[in-house]
Amino acid sequence: NAGVTQTPKFQVLKTGQSMTLQCAQDMNHEYMSWYRQDPGMGLRLIHYSVGAGITDQGEVPNGYNVSRSTTEDFPLRLLSAAPSQTSVYFCASRAVSTLGGEKLFFGSGTQLSVL
Amino acid sequence: GNSVTQMEGPVTLSEEAFLTINCTYTATGYPSLFWYVQYPGEGLQLLLKATKADDKGSNKGFEATYRKETTSFHLEKGSVQVSDSAVYFCALKAQGGSEKLVFGKGTKLTVNP
Repeated sequence: NAGVTQTPKFQVLKTGQSMTLQCAQDMNHEYMSWYRQDPGMGLRLIHYSVGAGITDQGEVPNGYNVSRSTTEDFPLRLLSAAPSQTSVYFCASRAVSTLGGEKLFFGSGTQLSVL
Repeated sequence: GNSVTQMEGPVTLSEEAFLTINCTYTATGYPSLFWYVQYPGEGLQLLLKATKADDKGSNKGFEATYRKETTSFHLEKGSVQVSDSAVYFCALKAQGGSEKLVFGKGTKLTVNP
């Protein structure tokens, strides 16, 4: 049981380049999300999904696209990288329950630098 | 909107000292409340949670009590260890509706031997 797997772990881009951060989970979780972590800012939600074919914006969606074609995968696309997107990115997933309060499982992160 | 405010760090303690990290929240109704911990170079892990008023979450010697009257969920540990050095995040999930988790900015704890 691998949990939440993110690739790559490190990436350096030039301004204007595009790339996709991969996220996969093997726990059959309905909910998946992307956060970015910046010093002094904590974790900010970029996009999230509550199931295949359903995505929604978080706090800081501009410059990022997502899709959810399967339950397992939730890739994050940077369309035209900017230095302001230099950050550590975390993917997280959990089961959806009417009880609420379900545990969020995090990947190990992708450190992205945009030059 | 919903928000979480944590005490600013960093916090530096000696081993066996008492720890308190303050967390207050803004949300309607009865959100679920969480503490997550991030060890160096890793993703976040759930430390403890509470889903209704007056609940006490506990794990690994850490405790936090859901106080509706003060909208608080302060994290405490009676005797910290060097291995507790990490960044601690308070978070909430709103009651009903949205599945999103809202995080505080995190508090870095360093415990010296």
